[in-house]
Parts: sequence; structure tokens; C-alpha cells
Amino acid sequence: GAVVSQHPSWVICKSGTSVKIECRSLDFQATTMFWYRQFPKQSLMLMATSNEGSKATYEQGVEKDKFLINHASLTLSTLTVTSAHPEDSSFYICSAPAVSRYEQYFGPGTRLTVT
Amino acid sequence: GENVEQHPSTLSVQEGDSAVIKCTYSDSASNYFPWYKQELGKRPQLIIDIRSNVGEKKDQRIAVTLNKTAKHFSLHITETQPEDSAVYFCAAIQGAQKLVFGQGTRLTINP
Repeated sequence: GAVVSQHPSWVICKSGTSVKIECRSLDFQATTMFWYRQFPKQSLMLMATSNEGSKATYEQGVEKDKFLINHASLTLSTLTVTSAHPEDSSFYICSAPAVSRYEQYFGPGTRLTVT
Repeated sequence: GENVEQHPSTLSVQEGDSAVIKCTYSDSASNYFPWYKQELGKRPQLIIDIRSNVGEKKDQRIAVTLNKTAKHFSLHITETQPEDSAVYFCAAIQGAQKLVFGQGTRLTINP
């Protein structure tokens, strides 16, 4: 089946710094990717839709200047958390839709801890 | 936009018994309903899905039913085993491929 990878799998950073998370589709092209955030014991919440070659679409309440998304190629989307604060600590997961089906392929997630 | 409600939030059943998790959705345009199993710290794993043109789908011990009129769908797990213990999420999707998740159900199988 299709594979989506994320890097890093976990990261610890200091408050005020920026962190970049990569999401790659390894064996297929993805013109669209999705970024989710999941707090402990909660559901996955869609943050934004990453579109190859154009601006990302953010969900209501998500600060686009804080969560920068770049989809520079058909296999790579990046999420940069700028000026991170402890409340940004969460599990970030990306997904990419299957080319011809409704199914979505999820990355393994990135655990971000801001100290 | 779409809103998905999931119940119960926690469910505990004896090994071998059946477990049922229910979800409702708000947008009649939603046409794909996947169920995911998530273990702690891992990615969601698709366990079964159903399209809006089908009323029921079964895969071994797992089945999903969909009532489009009432806008609800359910996950049924029979002959539960300890390894079925996890958090389960329902979701709904529209043509834009945006997944909206339910709140999740923590299923515990007691030996």
C-alpha cells in the first residue's frame, strides 16, 4: 500500500523557537495533503489543507502566520510551527488521499514538545 | 460544515462479547465513512469503511452499517479479543476529501 512518512518522529524545542515537520508521500504523488493536530486523549482536528503549487487552506481558528505550510513538490509538504509555545505541544499527523479512492494514508505522526 | 458525533466515549466489554460504537453526521452530502483504530502514539489505522451507496459492509469480525436517512453509522465488533483494545474513531468525508473525525471511543476488552 501507499506509504506516507513524517520527519522527525519527535522533537523537543524551547519556547519561542520554530520547528519544521516534513510529510512525504514515498511511492505516489500527492497534490493535496492534510495536517492534523491531536492533543492527548482527544480526536484528530484538521488544521489545514496543503495544496501543491498554491497556498494552503486553513481551518477556522488556525493561525496561518503561526503554522506555515509549504507544498513545494508533489511528494513533500512541510509544516513550520513558528514561535512555538508550550500550548503548541501536541501530536501532529499528516495525510494524503489515495489517487483514485476515498482512502487517506496517514503519516506516523510527530510528537512536538515545547519547553 | 460537517459535524460528527460519536458515542460512547468509553466502552468496556468482556472478551468474546460484541462491541458497538455509533456515530451521527450532519451533512447529507458526506459520502464516505471510514473507521479507524488508533493505538497510543501511533497513526490511525483504517479498519473498515463504507460508501454512501452501501448499507452494510462486513470484514470478518468487523462490520459497519449506514443509515443515510437518519445520518448515522455504526461499527460492530464481534467476538472481541484483548488486542481489540484501542481508541476507535469514526469519520465522514465529502468530495473535497476533508476528513472530519468523531470524538473517539476508548474500547477496553476485559479478559
